[in-house]
Amino acid sequence: GAVVSQHPSRVICKSGTSVKIECRSLDFQATTMFWYRQFPKKSLMLMATSNEGSKATYEQGVEKDKFLINHASLTLSTLTVTSAHPEDSSFYICSARVAGEKLFFGSGTQLSVL
Amino acid sequence: AQTVTQSQPEMSVQEAETVTLSCTYDTSENNYYLFWYKQPPSRQMILVIRQEAYKQQNATENRFSVNFQKAAKSFSLKISDSQLGDTAMYFCAFMNPNAGGTSYGKLTFGQGTILTVHP
Repeated sequence: GAVVSQHPSRVICKSGTSVKIECRSLDFQATTMFWYRQFPKKSLMLMATSNEGSKATYEQGVEKDKFLINHASLTLSTLTVTSAHPEDSSFYICSARVAGEKLFFGSGTQLSVL
Repeated sequence: AQTVTQSQPEMSVQEAETVTLSCTYDTSENNYYLFWYKQPPSRQMILVIRQEAYKQQNATENRFSVNFQKAAKSFSLKISDSQLGDTAMYFCAFMNPNAGGTSYGKLTFGQGTILTVHP
């Protein structure tokens, strides 16, 4: 089956630094990438949607300048958490749409900001 | 906007027994997709089962089956012969295939149900 490789799986950073999370579709082209955030034992909340070559669409309440999303190619989308603070600590998951309703999830990134 | 509700925060079941997880949703759409995802301790999201709203037949995947009641907007998941490996958080999710542009493929998740299978 299709694989979405998400890296890093875990990252610890100091407050004020920026962290980049990558999601790569290894054997298919992802027309759309969705980025979700999940708190412990809670649901997944959609942060933004990105399409290759165009600006990301952010959900209401998500800071565009803090969560920078780039979808430069059909196989790579990145989420950069800029000037991270402890409240940004969370589990981030990407999901790639292949065609129709077929989706594949990355393995997630646990971000801890000290 | 669609909403998905899972009213059971936690459930437990004995190994080999059957358990049913509940899910209700609200939408004005007539055609849509419903999903159950499993998230084990590894936190990898795993698709368990998928239902297309225009299909009346309930979806089945091995030990997993759904009871899809379109009029009642209910979509429960039945796990038969529960196994220890079924221990996970389960999410019900909704997708609107009629959503245009960047919204196509967007999932709306329920709150999740933590299922524990006891030996």
